[in-house]
Amino acid sequence: GENVEQHPSTLSVQEGDSAVIKCTYSDSASNYFPWYKQELGKGPQLIIDIRSNVGEKKDQRIAVTLNKTAKHFSLHITETQPEDSAVYFCAASIFGNEKLTFGTGTRLTIIP
Amino acid sequence: EAGVAQSPRYKIIEKRQSVAFWCNPISGHATLYWYQQILGQGPKLLIQFQNNGVVDDSQLPKDRFSAERLKGVDSTLKIQPAKLEDSAVYLCASSSALAAFFGQGTRLTVV
Repeated sequence: GENVEQHPSTLSVQEGDSAVIKCTYSDSASNYFPWYKQELGKGPQLIIDIRSNVGEKKDQRIAVTLNKTAKHFSLHITETQPEDSAVYFCAASIFGNEKLTFGTGTRLTIIP
Repeated sequence: EAGVAQSPRYKIIEKRQSVAFWCNPISGHATLYWYQQILGQGPKLLIQFQNNGVVDDSQLPKDRFSAERLKGVDSTLKIQPAKLEDSAVYLCASSSALAAFFGQGTRLTVV
């Protein structure tokens, strides 16, 4: 089955700097890659996703890049703000299957 | 649009007792998932429904866990009997296409 690895497990950045979280997946058939943000005591919230037919997608301060050949995808957050502090999870699935396999999470802390 | 609703938010039970969790998905979402999230880990799929049929329950410990989705809408997840290692957050999610939306979860503590 699919295996998703996520790095780093913790990340601290100064407010206003950029943060990058990286994931790798094992199943070359995976073609859908969402990112979730989970705040304390809440369920994961979808923040951005990408399909394998594109290499990059942006939504304001958040962007995701995908390298299908290397089976890597990354989350980029620019101009970080204190409210960006949370645990971020990457995931992978196969279109039509809809079964998400999650990474182990990255605890992002924005230092004011 | 209302989100995924789950209840209860918190539950504390003794080992060997039984417990049930309830989920109401987003209206119109055919796919419903139950995930288990142990502290410090990513969510792990327990079971996936498409309407009222099971698509994937390969990770569900069927000797103690059961789930149903009658009429293809609400779902319940039951644990009987509970073990200490079942302490976790149980997340329900639903989707109509690729994107899955999660509820707030039920935090279960088994003592």
